[in-house]
Amino acid sequence: GNSVTQMEGPVTLSEEAFLTINCTYTATGYPSLFWYVQYPGEGLQLLLKATKADDKGSNKGFEATYRKETTSFHLEKGSVQVSDSAVYFCALSSTGGFKTIFGAGTRLFVKA
Amino acid sequence: KAGVTQTPRYLIKTRGQQVTLSCSPISGHRSVSWYQQTPGQGLQFLFEYFSETQRNKGNFPGRFSGRQFSNSRSEMNVSTLELGDSALYLCASSVQGVLDTEAFFGQGTRLTVV
Repeated sequence: GNSVTQMEGPVTLSEEAFLTINCTYTATGYPSLFWYVQYPGEGLQLLLKATKADDKGSNKGFEATYRKETTSFHLEKGSVQVSDSAVYFCALSSTGGFKTIFGAGTRLFVKA
Repeated sequence: KAGVTQTPRYLIKTRGQQVTLSCSPISGHRSVSWYQQTPGQGLQFLFEYFSETQRNKGNFPGRFSGRQFSNSRSEMNVSTLELGDSALYLCASSVQGVLDTEAFFGQGTRLTVV
């Protein structure tokens, strides 16, 4: 079945450091891929998405590229801020299943 | 516009009791999905409703059930509560629930079973 695997956390970085959170997936067909972010005490918010191979999703300085050949959708940001501290979830959604499958989440701590 | 509203925000129940959680989707959204979030298991899909019909169900026991009303509001019910049911229950709504549609999440209901 479909699944999402993302790197375990927590990830601790200093402000202005480069961020990469790895995400790989297993899916039949052509899923859409997402990154969601969850701030403390909140629900999940969509950060970015890509709906087909080679698409790049971007938002608030975060980017991820849909790589079908490596079945990956790694999240990157060139310079993190303290306010980026949150839990990040990689997810996929495919037709026929009517559901979004989430990775385990990666907690990011950014120190000032 | 108003976001996804989940009520109540917090609940404390005793083992063996039952509980009903409510989710009001964004106006115009017809798809509502429910997830259970726990530190050990992450986000686990419970079920998805569209136009009052359950289209998909996750791997949860029959104690977990749900329904959707004609105004797209949804409820989920857990009967015979167990300690392991303690979790954050998240509801998400989207326009149609198709693959490229963004899901909007509520803040969740924190259920504690004692």
